[in-house]
Amino acid sequence: DVKVTQSSRYLVKRTGEKVFLECVQDMDHENMFWYRQDPGLGLRLIYFSYDVKMKEKGDIPEGYSVSREKKERFSLILESASTNQTSMYLCASGSRAEETQYFGPGTRLLVL
Amino acid sequence: RKEVEQDPGPFNVPEGATVAFNCTYSNSASQSFFWYRQDCRKEPKLLMSVYSSGNEDGRFTAQLNRASQYISLLIRDSKLSDSATYLCVVNPGSYQLTFGKGTKLSVIP
Repeated sequence: DVKVTQSSRYLVKRTGEKVFLECVQDMDHENMFWYRQDPGLGLRLIYFSYDVKMKEKGDIPEGYSVSREKKERFSLILESASTNQTSMYLCASGSRAEETQYFGPGTRLLVL
Repeated sequence: RKEVEQDPGPFNVPEGATVAFNCTYSNSASQSFFWYRQDCRKEPKLLMSVYSSGNEDGRFTAQLNRASQYISLLIRDSKLSDSATYLCVVNPGSYQLTFGKGTKLSVIP
């Protein structure tokens, strides 16, 4: 079974803080993704990576950065958290061959 | 035009009913298609892939009509445990997937 884990299920931060969200997958997948999900807006892609040290902007990269130093790990960084970044953050991984994506349990981030 | 469109629902159906969801996609070059299920406050999980020939998995049947750019999901003999949001998902031929916003299903006793 594919396992995607995320560092925290719930997180509360203050405006202006730097926030790190970590994601680890155990299936040797090439591709990893960060999404946020908000009511009425569905899943929106923030960044994705198709190889170590490679990253591509998704639909809403502003205010975020990412890091992929190892194949199994993909980190999302909020440089200076703002209240409009309060959301559910979902990490996913997938292989090039299979085309599907497998999601982690999500991190609910509240920025006060 | 939205890339993947779904009726948000909610669809409220009694146990044992048959329910069908539809989805349309705008990119005619799309390569592969999926249905995901998302329970309340949980992550999306792959339910099934959708093939041109149609495919069935127990009570669930998925169909694809490439000419009309239309995907469907049929659930027979609905169970309470089928209550969830169903996401229509399209691969446009890149590393990325395009997700619909989902159709909410509530199966009531």
